[in-house]
Amino acid sequence: GAVVSQHPSWVICKSGTSVKIECRSLDFQATTMFWYRQFPKQSLMLMATSNEGSKATYEQGVEKDKFLINHASLTLSTLTVTSAHPEDSSFYICSALLGGRALSTDTQYFGPGTRLTVL
Amino acid sequence: AQSVTQLDSHVSVSEGTPVLLRCNYSSSYSPSLFWYVQHPNKGLQLLLKYTSAATLVKGINGFEAEFKKSETSFHLTKPSAHMSDAAEYFCVVSDPPYDKVIFGPGTSLSVIP
Repeated sequence: GAVVSQHPSWVICKSGTSVKIECRSLDFQATTMFWYRQFPKQSLMLMATSNEGSKATYEQGVEKDKFLINHASLTLSTLTVTSAHPEDSSFYICSALLGGRALSTDTQYFGPGTRLTVL
Repeated sequence: AQSVTQLDSHVSVSEGTPVLLRCNYSSSYSPSLFWYVQHPNKGLQLLLKYTSAATLVKGINGFEAEFKKSETSFHLTKPSAHMSDAAEYFCVVSDPPYDKVIFGPGTSLSVIP
């Protein structure tokens, strides 16, 4: 149980276009999901917390108008990279918490990631 | 402030020999600590976590870690490495009051046949 999927697994787009990445909790409801960015050979950086039915909370330095997050249901969060540029190329990973638990003490269930390449 | 250091960016061991992946943390409170493993093309998976219970934590696939407050360490060990253990390992620290998690830089484990 506790499976999280992401779609697409990889995407290539032209500079200036927008790309949407979906994160789904397949067998549980998640009021809270998280979006991370991982550069090659580096660690995960938390970008934002996605809350079902309310606005996302962005980490310092993350442009909210650039990275639009929508958590429209208890099983789906989307990340839209708007007007993508080559520097946005990265590996984007989502995670979900079971129910409404605390990030600091409970297990995150991660999606397999989406590799974005902007030409 | 929270921070986490993984002292080795890459560790290579022979199959059947012990594994030691080192993690040191900095925290203002009593932290929660996690180890996650990332296999290529797969999502990160929790190996084990410490949340102020027993200091020796046993996880999946034979891994365990010991929380040592005096040394601010949470090293990951396994008695005998298996080829399937080859992956990227992340130590994660969190302070409950802030409900944030900080990922370490990761350690790449290679297992030699």
